[in-house]
Amino acid sequence: RKEVEQDPGPFNVPEGATVAFNCTYSNSASQSFFWYRQDCRKEPKLLMSVYSSGNEDGRFTAQLNRASQYISLLIRDSKLSDSATYLCVVTFYGGSQGNLIFGKGTKLSVKP
Amino acid sequence: DVKVTQSSRYLVKRTGEKVFLECVQDMDHENMFWYRQDPGLGLRLIYFSYDVKMKEKGDIPEGYSVSREKKERFSLILESASTNQTSMYLCASSSIQGVKLREQYFGPGTRLTVT
Repeated sequence: RKEVEQDPGPFNVPEGATVAFNCTYSNSASQSFFWYRQDCRKEPKLLMSVYSSGNEDGRFTAQLNRASQYISLLIRDSKLSDSATYLCVVTFYGGSQGNLIFGKGTKLSVKP
Repeated sequence: DVKVTQSSRYLVKRTGEKVFLECVQDMDHENMFWYRQDPGLGLRLIYFSYDVKMKEKGDIPEGYSVSREKKERFSLILESASTNQTSMYLCASSSIQGVKLREQYFGPGTRLTVT
């Protein structure tokens, strides 16, 4: 069974802190990787794709480690507005096009 | 900007009623998905469609059916609603690049309560 695992948290951090989330996946034939953000009672929204060489978007850095089968998200200088649930998504090659699995999410709470 | 819309934000139905949830996307995406999201269980795939009139079961299709008559529209049908189908229902769409699924875009969700 293909699995995507995340630490559910919650991660409670002060403003300005650096926080990192990991997400492990079980299928080595994984193709694409994404981080989504979901605010309370809202739909998930794409935060960033994760590229093999790692990528950065402002305060956010995403990395992929294929050998150890995990992706990570680093948030620097946390803001109150970063409080949300962060979902990792992994797509798998082959078979039906439903080969996409969401982790259950990691809840982040940034406190003043 | 990609836009995915869902017919209702909130819906209250009685046990045994037939329920239609509609989803429309405006980006000519090939793939459309229906999920439900419950506390502690995350997003669970009900059905998805990779082309008009094509559909495949997801992880939890029991009690649901779908219809995709036009590329932009994907409907979820609860043939006879039950209380355990009370949930947040999320529609999503995505394009493909070769054999790779691209990122998904979600609608705002429909919070369905079955009494």
